[in-house]
Amino acid sequence: EAGVTQFPSHSVIEKGQTVTLRCDPISGHDNLYWYRRVMGKEIKFLLHFVKESKQDESGMPNNRFLAERTGGTYSTLKVQPAELEDSGVYFCASSSTTLLANYGYTFGSGTRLTVV
Amino acid sequence: DAKTTQPPSMDCAEGRAANLPCNHSTISGNEYVYWYRQIHSQGPQYIIHGLKNNETNEMASLIITEDRKSSTLILPHATLRDTAVYYCIVRVKTGANNLFFGTGTRLTVIP
Repeated sequence: EAGVTQFPSHSVIEKGQTVTLRCDPISGHDNLYWYRRVMGKEIKFLLHFVKESKQDESGMPNNRFLAERTGGTYSTLKVQPAELEDSGVYFCASSSTTLLANYGYTFGSGTRLTVV
Repeated sequence: DAKTTQPPSMDCAEGRAANLPCNHSTISGNEYVYWYRQIHSQGPQYIIHGLKNNETNEMASLIITEDRKSSTLILPHATLRDTAVYYCIVRVKTGANNLFFGTGTRLTVIP
């Protein structure tokens, strides 16, 4: 079974530009999450999808961040316009509602975003 | 979700057992203890979880005190590949809630 895949693995953009991160969850996982770790800080929750619906977006820092999950499969996280403080590692995770109890979440390897 | 307290760092000799403590004195009756780890440059990895009974799987053992205010993750034979940051998280085991990562314990396995 393929794991959670994130693309790109690294991205370097200039302040003010737009970047789109992509996450492909494990096939069949209804739940998809975005987390991030900005430099020197803890890993923080951003938002949670159940299929194509946003279940909880309380962690989204501001309206420069837009997450979508059209069709309930892969998800994108767009940052527009990017600011220096957006630099960090963005993680995606997925889980099966029925198997969550036993297996927790599966995380991807993350996208390292650097805004210069 | 209840807050957890972990030591910032620990060392362990290769081949020996690594015992990572976690305090969660405000844990509620319906909250579970989860452990994740993050190996450098990778995403967090689920290890184990439990409610009140001790648990064991192929990766580790989890010992929870009777009053549930603390727990210990045990890696029975630590290897160099176990060097990572280990996170103790308490949360309700329902639906799909987000995880609150703290600062964790940086475990260094020494050859």
